[in-house]
Amino acid sequence: DADVTQTPRNRITKTGKRIMLECSQTKGHDRMYWYRQDPGLGLRLIYYSFDVKDINKGEISDGYSVSRQAQAKFSLSLESAIPNQTALYFCAATRGHGDTQYFGPGTRLTVL
Amino acid sequence: GENVEQHPSTLSVQEGDSAVIKCTYSDSASNYFPWYKQELGKRPQLIIDIRSNVGEKKDQRIAVTLNKTAKHFSLHITETQPEDSAVYFCAPGGGADGLTFGKGTHLIIQP
Repeated sequence: DADVTQTPRNRITKTGKRIMLECSQTKGHDRMYWYRQDPGLGLRLIYYSFDVKDINKGEISDGYSVSRQAQAKFSLSLESAIPNQTALYFCAATRGHGDTQYFGPGTRLTVL
Repeated sequence: GENVEQHPSTLSVQEGDSAVIKCTYSDSASNYFPWYKQELGKRPQLIIDIRSNVGEKKDQRIAVTLNKTAKHFSLHITETQPEDSAVYFCAPGGGADGLTFGKGTHLIIQP
């Protein structure tokens, strides 16, 4: 779905580096999410935001932080990247409870 | 929080046969039951969903059935085709925390 975009699409970095993944959506949805996908573990929720002033921790928030700069933008940061944060990261946006989540194309992050 | 289990983790069927994937959940407050499909290298996309006031919903070759009493819902795909090969995720929810995704079922369609 071209309405949700993520940058970069691929990133290789080294242990200890600070990394920011960015997500933008043109759907006008208030709710945005960051997920991490690892083989065999499905999609696990890192952080979510219901509006610009609302940030909530998900299942696996340790080692991550987020910023909701505007309704359309939601960034995920790894303050000091470690190898077990190597994964595929997805951003999603939705209108509200019980509505379709529209996913971005994903960012493949490798931490060496 | 919601505990979600999805079975089987891998399902291999002959082309043209039917496939059924089951999802069980723990939170009786869940009122929204979607299924997402993720093709290799692609993003997850919604293929069908059902709400708690409906027991079954069908869209061409795919259907979802819900048993709220037993807290499970299932994805049914009939007349499977090669393009059905993908990973399928259930994601019950609808409450304040949104959706909780299952670990996924890898569906393989054998020619």
